[in-house]
Amino acid sequence: NAGVTQTPKFRVLKTGQSMTLLCAQDMNHEYMYWYRQDPGMGLRLIHYSVGEGTTAKGEVPDGYNVSRLKKQNFLLGLESAAPSQTSVYFCASCYSNSYGYTFGSGTRLTVV
Amino acid sequence: DAKTTQPNSMESNEEEPVHLPCNHSTISGTDYIHWYRQLPSQGPEYVIHGLTSNVNNRMASLAIAEDRKSSTLILHRATLRDAAVYYCILMGAGGTSYGKLTFGQGTILTVHP
Repeated sequence: NAGVTQTPKFRVLKTGQSMTLLCAQDMNHEYMYWYRQDPGMGLRLIHYSVGEGTTAKGEVPDGYNVSRLKKQNFLLGLESAAPSQTSVYFCASCYSNSYGYTFGSGTRLTVV
Repeated sequence: DAKTTQPNSMESNEEEPVHLPCNHSTISGTDYIHWYRQLPSQGPEYVIHGLTSNVNNRMASLAIAEDRKSSTLILHRATLRDAAVYYCILMGAGGTSYGKLTFGQGTILTVHP
């Protein structure tokens, strides 16, 4: 049972480049989330999904897009990367609010 | 979203109990109280959660005040591996807050050998 898997684990982008972060979970969870964590800060919600084919904006959605075409996968896209998007990105999933979240190990993204 | 208030930092000695407090005076009747911890350079890890009654699991215990305006995470015997940032979070049950965790600054727990 792999839990929540994030790929890639590390990436360096140049300003203006695009990329997609993949989050995959094998627990049949309905809800999936993308968070970012800046140095010394707590996590902030970017986008989330309450089921296959649905997405919604979180606290800091600007500059990001997401898709949930399959229940097990939640993709986070950066269309035109900016240095302000340098951060550690965490994906999480849960069955419902009466259960705990499972987090991935994170993707460290640097935009230069 | 309802907010929580935690001390910035706490210290403990190894093998002693640790009581981590959390205030959530604006909690709604359907909000779950979740606790997560984050070790350095790792993703957050689920610790425990509850709604109204006290909860126990292999990692910790959660004591919830009768009015639900505060809670306490109890680590029965702290180990060096328990040194982490501990987050107390309210998870909403409905509307726009459904299922979302809003992280605060958390409590940095230092465990001394």
